Amino acid sequence: DSGVTQTPKHLITATGQRVTLRCSPRSGDLSVYWYQQSLDQGLQFLIQYYNGEERAKGNILERFSAQQFPDLHSELNLSSLELGDSALYFCASSVWDNNEQFFGPGTRLTVL
Amino acid sequence: GENVEQHPSTLSVQEGDSAVIKCTYSDSASNYFPWYKQELGKRPQLIIDIRSNVGEKKDQRIAVTLNKTAKHFSLHITETQPEDSAVYFCAASGEYGNKLVFGAGTILRVKS
Repeated sequence: DSGVTQTPKHLITATGQRVTLRCSPRSGDLSVYWYQQSLDQGLQFLIQYYNGEERAKGNILERFSAQQFPDLHSELNLSSLELGDSALYFCASSVWDNNEQFFGPGTRLTVL
Repeated sequence: GENVEQHPSTLSVQEGDSAVIKCTYSDSASNYFPWYKQELGKRPQLIIDIRSNVGEKKDQRIAVTLNKTAKHFSLHITETQPEDSAVYFCAASGEYGNKLVFGAGTILRVKS
């Protein structure tokens, strides 16, 4: 157990819908990262927040957005869902900017 | 941007043998190189990492080597055991606290 928690574990929804994925970092970690894992794209970085502010952006679609709250938990919002958005979404956290990232158990999103 | 290539894509070894997985990166500014192990349906788990000011690092049966000039790094697992069977990912990070760019992964099978 890495200490990073994610909810829900599984999410099944329909095309066009909107979902919110939640992540709680390890105690004391200020940085939260979101990654998408799919069979054809592998593990792809989406976005990073550090102490409530956006720190880095990767291959994140405009339909996706994220935020980090004062209690440091983070949410990833996915809207206008398409079949291709089906994937495992992982959150990772690290103690400020030291690169050692610990992953949560992931949320498996299925878009039907 | 950074690109990480990983070889081989699959590797089968006999229990007790050694396994070597190799990665190359493109961005000479990259300075942090972690390795993750992922079992089916589970989170990527950090197993070892190395920073650019070090050439080699060991942790029991696992070692990582880094050649900055050639821009490649390798994971070495000695005395492999069936529980080492998993997908292994290398990654590179070019900026402190920033995104990880992952290789495509290596499926390691240890036959008993």
